[in-house]
Amino acid sequence: DSGVTQTPKHLITATGQRVTLRCSPRSGDLSVYWYQQSLDQGLQFLIHYYNGEERAKGNILERFSAQQFPDLHSELNLSSLELGDSALYFCASSGALAGGLNEQFFGPGTRLTVL
Amino acid sequence: GENVEQHPSTLSVQEGDSAVIKCTYSDSASNYFPWYKQELGKRPQLIIDIRSNVGEKKDQRIAVTLNKTAKHFSLHITETQPEDSAVYFCAAKEERGGSQGNLIFGKGTKLSVKP
Repeated sequence: DSGVTQTPKHLITATGQRVTLRCSPRSGDLSVYWYQQSLDQGLQFLIHYYNGEERAKGNILERFSAQQFPDLHSELNLSSLELGDSALYFCASSGALAGGLNEQFFGPGTRLTVL
Repeated sequence: GENVEQHPSTLSVQEGDSAVIKCTYSDSASNYFPWYKQELGKRPQLIIDIRSNVGEKKDQRIAVTLNKTAKHFSLHITETQPEDSAVYFCAAKEERGGSQGNLIFGKGTKLSVKP
Protein backbone atom coordinates (compact mmCIF):
# COMPACT_ATOMS: atom_id res chain seq x y z
CA ASP A 1 0.00 0.00 0.00
CA SER A 2 1.56 3.29 -1.16
CA GLY A 3 -0.53 5.50 1.13
CA VAL A 4 -2.16 7.20 -1.85
CA THR A 5 -5.89 6.61 -2.15
CA GLN A 6 -8.19 7.07 -5.12
CA THR A 7 -11.93 6.89 -5.44
CA PRO A 8 -13.88 5.44 -7.04
CA LYS A 9 -12.13 2.26 -8.14
CA HIS A 10 -14.42 1.81 -11.11
CA LEU A 11 -16.64 4.23 -12.96
CA ILE A 12 -18.95 3.44 -15.83
CA THR A 13 -20.70 6.28 -17.60
CA ALA A 14 -22.04 7.37 -20.96
CA THR A 15 -20.65 9.61 -23.66
CA GLY A 16 -21.24 13.29 -23.05
CA GLN A 17 -21.32 12.91 -19.28
CA ARG A 18 -19.05 14.47 -16.66
CA VAL A 19 -17.21 12.65 -13.88
CA THR A 20 -14.95 13.55 -10.98
CA LEU A 21 -12.07 11.41 -9.82
CA ARG A 22 -10.63 11.93 -6.37
CA CYS A 23 -7.13 11.44 -5.00
CA SER A 24 -5.75 11.73 -1.47
CA PRO A 25 -1.96 11.94 -1.34
CA ARG A 26 0.30 10.34 1.24
CA SER A 27 0.31 12.15 4.53
CA GLY A 28 2.59 15.17 4.23
CA ASP A 29 3.03 15.03 0.45
CA LEU A 30 2.40 18.37 -1.22
CA SER A 31 2.61 17.33 -4.86
CA VAL A 32 -0.08 15.47 -6.76
CA TYR A 33 0.32 14.24 -10.33
CA TRP A 34 -2.37 12.83 -12.60
CA TYR A 35 -1.69 10.27 -15.32
CA GLN A 36 -3.81 8.56 -17.95
CA GLN A 37 -3.09 4.99 -19.01
CA SER A 38 -5.05 3.68 -21.96
CA LEU A 39 -5.20 -0.02 -22.84
CA ASP A 40 -1.70 -1.32 -23.53
CA GLN A 41 -0.34 2.20 -23.37
CA GLY A 42 2.18 3.90 -21.20
CA LEU A 43 1.62 6.54 -18.59
CA GLN A 44 0.68 9.88 -20.05
CA PHE A 45 1.28 12.82 -17.73
CA LEU A 46 -1.75 15.06 -17.44
CA ILE A 47 -1.18 17.68 -14.75
CA HIS A 48 0.81 18.47 -11.60
CA TYR A 49 -0.32 20.39 -8.53
CA TYR A 50 1.89 21.52 -5.70
CA ASN A 51 0.38 22.79 -2.46
CA GLY A 52 -2.78 23.93 -4.18
CA GLU A 53 -1.21 25.52 -7.22
CA GLU A 54 -0.97 24.18 -10.74
CA ARG A 55 2.69 23.61 -11.60
CA ALA A 56 2.66 21.95 -14.98
CA LYS A 57 0.40 20.63 -17.67
CA GLY A 58 1.09 17.72 -19.93
CA ASN A 59 -1.13 16.15 -22.56
CA ILE A 60 -4.35 17.20 -20.88
CA LEU A 61 -7.41 17.89 -23.00
CA GLU A 62 -9.34 21.12 -22.56
CA ARG A 63 -12.34 19.02 -21.51
CA PHE A 64 -10.32 17.91 -18.48
CA SER A 65 -9.50 20.02 -15.46
CA ALA A 66 -8.12 19.48 -12.00
CA GLN A 67 -7.69 21.21 -8.69
CA GLN A 68 -5.98 20.63 -5.37
CA PHE A 69 -7.77 21.66 -2.21
CA PRO A 70 -6.40 23.13 1.04
CA ASP A 71 -6.38 19.67 2.63
CA LEU A 72 -4.17 18.61 -0.33
CA HIS A 73 -6.57 16.13 -1.88
CA SER A 74 -7.05 16.57 -5.59
CA GLU A 75 -9.87 16.06 -8.04
CA LEU A 76 -9.70 15.44 -11.77
CA ASN A 77 -12.79 16.51 -13.66
CA LEU A 78 -13.53 14.96 -17.04
CA SER A 79 -16.37 16.43 -19.08
CA SER A 80 -18.08 15.80 -22.41
CA LEU A 81 -16.76 12.28 -22.18
CA GLU A 82 -15.89 10.36 -25.33
CA LEU A 83 -15.32 6.65 -25.88
CA GLY A 84 -11.59 7.31 -26.17
CA ASP A 85 -11.46 8.65 -22.64
CA SER A 86 -11.89 5.12 -21.32
CA ALA A 87 -8.68 4.42 -19.42
CA LEU A 88 -7.04 3.91 -16.07
CA TYR A 89 -6.42 7.20 -14.32
CA PHE A 90 -3.68 7.24 -11.73
CA CYS A 91 -2.66 9.89 -9.33
CA ALA A 92 0.72 9.95 -7.66
CA SER A 93 2.10 12.01 -4.83
CA SER A 94 5.54 13.07 -3.75
CA GLY A 95 6.94 14.93 -0.83
CA ALA A 96 9.70 16.99 -2.33
CA LEU A 97 9.45 20.41 -3.81
CA ALA A 98 9.04 20.59 -7.56
CA GLY A 99 12.52 20.42 -8.94
CA GLY A 100 13.79 18.23 -6.12
CA LEU A 101 14.69 14.57 -6.38
CA ASN A 102 11.22 13.27 -5.80
CA GLU A 103 9.95 9.73 -5.76
CA GLN A 104 6.38 9.44 -6.90
CA PHE A 105 4.06 6.98 -5.19
CA PHE A 106 1.05 5.86 -7.18
CA GLY A 107 -2.49 5.30 -6.05
CA PRO A 108 -4.49 2.20 -7.09
CA GLY A 109 -6.12 4.01 -9.99
CA THR A 110 -9.66 4.64 -11.18
CA ARG A 111 -10.82 2.61 -14.15
CA LEU A 112 -13.13 4.74 -16.27
CA THR A 113 -15.33 3.09 -18.87
CA VAL A 114 -17.28 5.32 -21.24
CA LEU A 115 -20.09 3.54 -23.08
CA GLY B 1 10.87 18.88 -23.19
CA GLU B 2 12.20 15.53 -22.12
CA ASN B 3 11.64 12.48 -24.30
CA VAL B 4 12.22 8.91 -23.15
CA GLU B 5 12.56 5.94 -25.48
CA GLN B 6 12.36 2.40 -24.08
CA HIS B 7 13.33 -0.91 -25.70
CA PRO B 8 12.31 -3.61 -26.18
CA SER B 9 8.53 -3.34 -25.98
CA THR B 10 8.26 -7.04 -25.17
CA LEU B 11 10.81 -9.43 -23.70
CA SER B 12 10.48 -13.14 -23.06
CA VAL B 13 13.09 -15.01 -21.05
CA GLN B 14 13.45 -18.41 -19.46
CA GLU B 15 13.31 -18.62 -15.68
CA GLY B 16 16.80 -18.13 -14.27
CA ASP B 17 18.05 -16.10 -17.22
CA SER B 18 18.83 -12.39 -17.09
CA ALA B 19 16.70 -9.61 -18.56
CA VAL B 20 17.89 -6.20 -19.70
CA ILE B 21 15.69 -3.23 -20.57
CA LYS B 22 17.20 -0.08 -22.04
CA CYS B 23 16.08 3.54 -22.09
CA THR B 24 17.42 6.69 -23.65
CA TYR B 25 16.55 10.24 -22.72
CA SER B 26 16.96 13.54 -24.50
CA ASP B 27 17.50 16.21 -21.84
CA SER B 28 21.04 16.29 -20.48
CA ALA B 29 19.77 18.24 -17.45
CA SER B 30 17.73 15.28 -16.19
CA ASN B 31 19.18 13.88 -12.98
CA TYR B 32 16.73 11.32 -11.61
CA PHE B 33 15.76 8.04 -13.29
CA PRO B 34 13.28 5.71 -11.60
CA TRP B 35 12.03 2.31 -12.73
CA TYR B 36 8.48 1.17 -12.06
CA LYS B 37 6.97 -2.31 -12.20
CA GLN B 38 3.30 -2.65 -13.01
CA GLU B 39 1.48 -5.94 -12.65
CA LEU B 40 -1.74 -6.45 -14.57
CA GLY B 41 -4.48 -4.15 -13.31
CA LYS B 42 -2.36 -2.77 -10.48
CA ARG B 43 -0.55 0.43 -9.70
CA PRO B 44 2.99 1.15 -10.88
CA GLN B 45 5.42 0.50 -8.06
CA LEU B 46 8.88 1.97 -7.75
CA ILE B 47 11.46 -0.83 -7.76
CA ILE B 48 14.72 1.06 -8.07
CA ASP B 49 15.97 4.49 -9.00
CA ILE B 50 19.27 6.15 -9.76
CA ARG B 51 20.50 9.69 -9.46
CA SER B 52 22.93 11.27 -11.84
CA ASN B 53 25.83 11.34 -9.39
CA VAL B 54 26.26 7.54 -9.55
CA GLY B 55 26.77 5.16 -12.44
CA GLU B 56 25.26 1.99 -10.98
CA LYS B 57 22.96 0.90 -8.20
CA LYS B 58 22.04 -2.61 -7.07
CA ASP B 59 19.27 -4.05 -4.97
CA GLN B 60 19.41 -7.85 -4.70
CA ARG B 61 18.58 -9.20 -8.19
CA ILE B 62 17.92 -5.79 -9.69
CA ALA B 63 20.49 -3.28 -10.88
CA VAL B 64 20.35 -0.06 -12.84
CA THR B 65 23.20 1.52 -14.78
CA LEU B 66 23.41 5.09 -16.03
CA ASN B 67 25.59 6.56 -18.76
CA LYS B 68 25.09 10.33 -18.67
CA THR B 69 27.39 10.97 -21.58
CA ALA B 70 25.37 8.73 -23.86
CA LYS B 71 22.10 9.63 -22.11
CA HIS B 72 20.97 6.11 -21.55
CA PHE B 73 20.16 3.92 -18.58
CA SER B 74 19.32 0.26 -18.23
CA LEU B 75 17.54 -2.11 -15.88
CA HIS B 76 19.12 -5.50 -15.26
CA ILE B 77 17.24 -8.35 -13.61
CA THR B 78 19.27 -11.46 -12.83
CA GLU B 79 18.01 -14.97 -12.00
CA THR B 80 14.55 -14.08 -13.25
CA GLN B 81 11.52 -15.68 -11.64
CA PRO B 82 7.93 -16.04 -12.89
CA GLU B 83 6.83 -13.34 -10.43
CA ASP B 84 9.06 -10.87 -12.28
CA SER B 85 6.58 -11.04 -15.16
CA ALA B 86 5.07 -7.54 -15.47
CA VAL B 87 5.33 -4.33 -17.43
CA TYR B 88 8.37 -2.24 -16.56
CA PHE B 89 8.50 1.51 -17.12
CA CYS B 90 11.56 3.71 -17.08
CA ALA B 91 11.26 7.43 -16.47
CA ALA B 92 13.31 10.60 -16.39
CA LYS B 93 12.58 13.70 -14.40
CA GLU B 94 12.17 16.91 -16.38
CA GLU B 95 14.38 19.74 -15.28
CA ARG B 96 13.70 22.47 -17.79
CA GLY B 97 10.86 24.82 -18.56
CA GLY B 98 7.48 24.75 -16.89
CA SER B 99 7.43 21.03 -16.21
CA GLN B 100 10.23 20.80 -13.67
CA GLY B 101 9.81 17.84 -11.40
CA ASN B 102 7.54 15.84 -13.65
CA LEU B 103 8.41 12.31 -14.67
CA ILE B 104 8.37 11.45 -18.34
CA PHE B 105 7.82 7.75 -18.85
CA GLY B 106 8.92 5.35 -21.54
CA LYS B 107 6.23 3.29 -23.22
CA GLY B 108 6.97 0.21 -21.15
CA THR B 109 8.41 -3.28 -21.60
CA LYS B 110 6.25 -6.32 -21.09
CA LEU B 111 8.49 -8.95 -19.51
CA SER B 112 7.40 -12.57 -19.55
CA VAL B 113 9.39 -15.12 -17.56
CA LYS B 114 8.68 -18.68 -18.63
CA PRO B 115 8.97 -21.40 -15.99
